[in-house]
Formats: sequence, structure tokens, C-alpha cells
Amino acid sequence: GAVVSQHPSRVICKSGTSVKIECRSLDFQATTMFWYRQFPKKSLMLMATSNEGSKATYEQGVEKDKFLINHASLTLSTLTVTSAHPEDSSFYICSASLDRGVTGELFFGEGSRLTVL
Amino acid sequence: AQSVTQPDIHITVSEGASLELRCNYSYGATPYLFWYVQSPGQGLQLLLKYFSGDTLVQGIKGFEAEFKRSQSSFNLRKPSVHWSDAAEYFCAVYRRGSQGNLIFGKGTKLSVKP
Repeated sequence: GAVVSQHPSRVICKSGTSVKIECRSLDFQATTMFWYRQFPKKSLMLMATSNEGSKATYEQGVEKDKFLINHASLTLSTLTVTSAHPEDSSFYICSASLDRGVTGELFFGEGSRLTVL
Repeated sequence: AQSVTQPDIHITVSEGASLELRCNYSYGATPYLFWYVQSPGQGLQLLLKYFSGDTLVQGIKGFEAEFKRSQSSFNLRKPSVHWSDAAEYFCAVYRRGSQGNLIFGKGTKLSVKP
């Protein structure tokens, strides 16, 4: 149980286009999901907290208009990178909590590698 | 502020040798602590976790970790490393009240020599 799946695993796009990444909890309902960004040889940086049915909460320094997050159902959150630029190239990972964040235990997706040309 | 420090960026051990990865945390109360492993190009897999109780916790793949409050540490150990253990290891502390937000260390890359 507690499987989180991301799609696509890899995406290449041209500069200026938008890219959508999906994060699904396959066997449980996740009222809250988290989006992380991982730079090469760096740790994970929390970008935003995605809450089902409400607006996402963004971390300081993360552009809300650049990284659009939608959590329309209890099993799906999406991250859209709008007007992507090469500096947006990165590894994006989503995660979900099984217990509404009581313990902090998170289950992670496989990650999505974005390359912007 | 809560933080996690993993002092070793890269460690190389021989297959069959023992392993210890260090993790120090800064947190005002009793922490919830985690170790995750990440293979190249993959997401994170939970190895083990500590919430309370026995300070020596067992995880998957033969890993264990010991919580030492006096040293603010949560070091990960394995008695005999296998080549398949080569990966990046992340220690994390839970920021309570944050709906599950974890604060990660910068990771330790483990290489295994044959």
C-alpha cells in the first residue's frame, strides 16, 4: 500500500512552453501532497504544499505564477511549469501523507525529470 | 529553526564491510526522524523511522538507526553492505504542524567497492 505515482518520468520541452506533471496516490486518499525540487547533487527543496480543494501553499521564493499547482481530487495533484525556461530544468518529486501529516511520514513518487531546451 | 546535517557528502565502503551514515538534527522537541534512500533518477524510499519508544529502530534491507537525544543524532547503520546499497541517503526531520513537511539533510552518496 501507500503507492504514489508520477507521470511523466521524463519530459523535454522547448523554452516558453508549459509542462504538466501529475502525481497520483494509487491506493489511498491524500488530502495533502507536497512538491519538491531537487537540483543536481543537492537536497530536496520543498516548493509547495498542495491541499485538496483549496489553494496551494508556496514556500518563500517559489513563484506561484510559474509553478501552478492544482489538487482537484483526493488522489491527484498536478504541477504545471508555465513558460518554462532552461533554468527550470530539474528533478521534481511529489509526495503524499497517509495520515494527514500527523507523523510526517511521506510516500514519494518516482520523480519527473524536466529538461527545457 | 529545525535543520538536519549530514556531515559526509560521499562515502565509499567495500562490499561486505559495515556502514554508518551520520545525521545530526536541530529540533526543539522530541523529533520524528526518517531515513530515505534514493537510487539514481528515482524517487525516495523510506528505510526507517523513529517516532518514540525504543531508540534503536530496524528498517528495511537490513538497515537500523539509533536515536541519541544527548547527541542530537540519528545515525544509520548496516553490518554488511551489498553492492545494491549504492545510492543517495537522506536523513529528515518532521516539521510538526506543517502537515507533513519534512526537512531534509543534503544527503550522503554511498559508493560500494567490489
